[in-house]
Amino acid sequence: SAVISQKPSRDICQRGTSLTIQCQVDSQVTMMFWYRQQPGQSLTLIATANQGSEATYESGFVIDKFPISRPNLTFSTLTVSNMSPEDSSIYLCSVDQRGNQETQYFGPGTRLLVL
Amino acid sequence: AQSVTQPDIHITVSEGASLELRCNYSYGATPYLFWYVQSPGQGLQLLLKYFSGDTLVQGIKGFEAEFKRSQSSFNLRKPSVHWSDAAEYFCAVVGNSGNTPLVFGKGTRLSVIA
Repeated sequence: SAVISQKPSRDICQRGTSLTIQCQVDSQVTMMFWYRQQPGQSLTLIATANQGSEATYESGFVIDKFPISRPNLTFSTLTVSNMSPEDSSIYLCSVDQRGNQETQYFGPGTRLLVL
Repeated sequence: AQSVTQPDIHITVSEGASLELRCNYSYGATPYLFWYVQSPGQGLQLLLKYFSGDTLVQGIKGFEAEFKRSQSSFNLRKPSVHWSDAAEYFCAVVGNSGNTPLVFGKGTRLSVIA
């Protein structure tokens, strides 16, 4: 299984600022996903990030608000831009290990509180 | 479109009692099915998964799940619950065609009482 780390683990931010979340994987993976988990809710996919191409965003999420980088096969960043209290959530990075079986593994998450 | 329904938002069981968490999915073909657990303040941990073959799958922490195609269900079970099992449980589905992300149910919160 993949080991995934995220930085920061948690942060408290002011309205109008931006935060960049880093996701590091211990092995090369093709696909990385970013999810949002709002308080008391399930996980919602923000975007899919493949190395060497633009991220693909789900309905309701736009690149200007959630720019993503994927510079190599082990790393990705998600930026939450111009934050508002509604952005207070847990942001999770996930990787998909292809092969004989398909399994997604998740990072520990970044807990964001916007004041 | 794929969807997952977890009908129970919150379940409370006594320690040592048996547990069944329900999950129904909607998908055009046989999907890959997963159960994840999220303990308070933690990330998601994979409990078990079903791809094909034996419809009863065993997972970690004494959990098992049974895939029933006729009922489009993938219910999670444990014969004897421990206090440490208190957590949020998510059922998820992904298409078997590849390169598609997981679709999650809304989760079931499990409370364990003495």
